[in-house]
Amino acid sequence: EDQVTQSPEALRLQEGESSSLNCSYTVSGLRGLFWYRQDPGKGPEFLFTLYSAGEEKEKERLKATLTKKESFLHITAPKPEDSATYLCAAGSGNTPLVFGKGTRLSVIA
Amino acid sequence: ETGVTQSPTHLIKTRGQQVTLRCSSQSGHNTVSWYQQALGQGPQFIFQYYREEENGRGNFPPRFSGLQFPNYSSELNVNALELDDSALYLCASSLAGQISGNTIYFGEGSWLTVV
Repeated sequence: EDQVTQSPEALRLQEGESSSLNCSYTVSGLRGLFWYRQDPGKGPEFLFTLYSAGEEKEKERLKATLTKKESFLHITAPKPEDSATYLCAAGSGNTPLVFGKGTRLSVIA
Repeated sequence: ETGVTQSPTHLIKTRGQQVTLRCSSQSGHNTVSWYQQALGQGPQFIFQYYREEENGRGNFPPRFSGLQFPNYSSELNVNALELDDSALYLCASSLAGQISGNTIYFGEGSWLTVV
């Protein structure tokens, strides 16, 4: 059974304190690994799609990387406006996307 | 802004009632999928529509049904509402008919509360 596990469940950082969020996946034939940001009461906002091990993508203070078993979302010098829940999802073959439960990030000024 | 719009944004229903949620997909996207997100959980796949046909379904009972129209907009219908149906219902659109592999873009969701 396809599975996605995110850790930690919650993370509290001081402004400027860099860290990483982890997404471990177990899927057969990964077609894509997706990261989304979700603010409270809102729909998920697309951040990145990664397709193959070794791939990296960056956007402002965020950088996503992919290996054969996990993906990391690195946050460099975060700001309070980066506070949100970050969701990871894996897609394989003709099965629907499987989402993790997310990591709730709080950045304190 | 993704261009995916959902209505209504919030609604309250009584157990046993029926509800219809609506979604307009992003321009150019022909595939719509629906997800249920309970508090503190990740989105759970309900089903997907491509060219007006359901082409994938998650582990949800038949009282969850849907439609896609020629303009690619979609409806989610839930009959015989139960308290556990209270959740954020998300619509997402994408290109092509593949269930996964293509990036999907979400709307802001419809909050359903069943009392």
